Amino acid sequence: GQQLNQSPQSMFIQEGEDVSMNCTSSSIFNTWLWYKQDPGEGPVLLIALYKAGELTSNGRLTAQFGITRKDSFLNISASIPSDVGIYFCAGPVSGSARQLTFGSGTQLTVLP
Amino acid sequence: DTGVSQDPRHKITKRGQNVTFRCDPISEHNRLYWYRQTLGQGPEFLTYFQNEAQLEKSRLLSDRFSAERPKGSFSTLEIQRTEQGDSAMYLCASSPRTDTQYFGPGTRLTVL
Repeated sequence: GQQLNQSPQSMFIQEGEDVSMNCTSSSIFNTWLWYKQDPGEGPVLLIALYKAGELTSNGRLTAQFGITRKDSFLNISASIPSDVGIYFCAGPVSGSARQLTFGSGTQLTVLP
Repeated sequence: DTGVSQDPRHKITKRGQNVTFRCDPISEHNRLYWYRQTLGQGPEFLTYFQNEAQLEKSRLLSDRFSAERPKGSFSTLEIQRTEQGDSAMYLCASSPRTDTQYFGPGTRLTVL
């Protein structure tokens, strides 16, 4: 199946530092989505990428759609305490339903 | 805020009881998805509606699970004869005619 490998599994960083995480697959994806999930809440869409090579920003967040269409990266600049949470990459499974398959998540902890 | 809403947010039930969850999607979205998420994992696809038609169901959706979207607007997910293994976060998502899905806050089910 179309599985997504997300790394790192967890990160501990100091407030103000930049963060980078990535997602890879053996399959090609035509869309990459990045979500953030807080405890007890649903995933919130951060950035959507629709074209290979696309670089998109949302405030301090920047994500890139890899040229091979098999990977994507999310960077967070100047981290703040509210960046704490689990970050998931996701992509639509080929087929009629276009349901999303998710990576296993990156748990981000920001230390003061 | 006209995002995806889910009700209830939390449900505690005894094994063997039936439970029903409701999802109200973003009003102009014709696609609706149900996912299940267990601790430490990303969401897993359960079923998909396009308007009122249920077009796809995952193998995760056992015979005890049934979902409806009678008028192509809100949806319900019912679990009959709940088991402890059903304890999870149940997430609803909706999307327009794209791959970008917007999630609700989820319903946390605990089966005692």
